[in-house]
Amino acid sequence: DIVMTQSPDSLAVSLGERATISCKSSQSVLYNSNNKNYLAWFQQKPRQPPKLLIDWASARENGVPDRFSGSGSATDFTLTISSLQAEDVATYYCHQHYNVPFTFGPGTKVDI
Amino acid sequence: EVQLLESGGGLVHPGGSLRLSCAASGFTINAYAMIWVRQAPGKGLEWVSTIGDSTFYADSVKGRFTISRDNSKNTLYLQMNSLRVEDAAMYYCAKGIFDSSYSAPASWGQGTLVTVSS
Repeated sequence: DIVMTQSPDSLAVSLGERATISCKSSQSVLYNSNNKNYLAWFQQKPRQPPKLLIDWASARENGVPDRFSGSGSATDFTLTISSLQAEDVATYYCHQHYNVPFTFGPGTKVDI
Repeated sequence: EVQLLESGGGLVHPGGSLRLSCAASGFTINAYAMIWVRQAPGKGLEWVSTIGDSTFYADSVKGRFTISRDNSKNTLYLQMNSLRVEDAAMYYCAKGIFDSSYSAPASWGQGTLVTVSS
């Protein structure tokens, strides 16, 4: 199984400041045939379902603010919130959909 | 607009069965991978099963859970047998980005709560 780890477990960031979350996979999630990283990022606010923010490591979903960006390849990935807004308070999960069983990271709680 | 409405959750004794349903609207479920993900209270996300061009299960549910879809009703199902205390969770239905079973869950329902207790 591919194990996903995230750091930090939680972080507090001032409004307008940058938040950076790291995600590492125990094996590469880069599919060489199409050069895509099967790595997604989700945001989950309390008492709500998760929301897909980014897929393929760096492709932002429609409607997601451009302050959210994803980067990385193979086993090391980063989610960056360039200027934290109050509505960004949430738990963020990375997810590999490269290999069965698909797995999620443990989550990073972002607060102000 | 994509909408997913889960139902069928509830309280069940260990060893019991439940069938979860996910009624979809705004798209045709047989054109996309459909996914179940669960979340135990206060815990993280756990992938359960996917049906698309292939069908996959987490090891923890293999042989006990069955994913299926009724295209005429545009509804996804999860038949859960031999339920265990550790299966208690909010169960979310999600639509994949495309038909491949390697799709990320793109759109999610609000979830249905399964409680397993004696």
